[in-house]
Amino acid sequence: AQTVTQSQPEMSVQEAETVTLSCTYDTSESDYYLFWYKQPPSRQMILVIRQEAYKQQNATENRFSVNFQKAAKSFSLKISDSQLGDAAMYFCAYRGVGAQKLVFGQGTRLTINP
Amino acid sequence: NAGVMQNPRHLVRRRGQEARLRCSPMKGHSHVYWYRQLPEEGLKFMVYLQKENIIDESGMPKERFSAEFPKEGPSILRIQQVVRGDSAAYFCASSPTRGRVVAGELFFGEGSRLTVL
Repeated sequence: AQTVTQSQPEMSVQEAETVTLSCTYDTSESDYYLFWYKQPPSRQMILVIRQEAYKQQNATENRFSVNFQKAAKSFSLKISDSQLGDAAMYFCAYRGVGAQKLVFGQGTRLTINP
Repeated sequence: NAGVMQNPRHLVRRRGQEARLRCSPMKGHSHVYWYRQLPEEGLKFMVYLQKENIIDESGMPKERFSAEFPKEGPSILRIQQVVRGDSAAYFCASSPTRGRVVAGELFFGEGSRLTVL
């Protein structure tokens, strides 16, 4: 079974600085999807960024980018120019191409210090 | 285009009562997933359904929990004889058919928070 591990329960960063959230996963599949979801205090699950495993290029969405290391099974999220609105729980998630369910990590609580 | 709609947003039940949570997927989506989030934890998969079929219920507790997605109407997650440990946020998500999957993304509702007294 696939597993997703986020080893940082909490992280904090100064506003306007850069922060990196770590995620590792375990799978025997060669093709799959990886995601970062954000959950603010409202508890809505918001997709931040996605990566398809067959693509070597790291995904980027404005201030959010990933460092996808397929061989190492690592998928970290970098947030540049951190803003107060970035404060939330961040969940890394895995989904196989054939399988349908998302498997989530335990989450990292990100605090932005003004 | 309305998103995934869940209701009720908040539900309070006493121990031993039944809880019913409803989920209407996004228009055009025929796959529904239920997840449970305990306080300060991540989301745990419970069940995956298509219309009139349970595809994967590997995350569902063996007793008291059931789910359905009828041909007409919303998907229902039903918890019988609730206990305090059932207190959690229950999230529903949907995705389109396999041929139109948008890079594997699931679209989530805002969740239903169940409190058992």
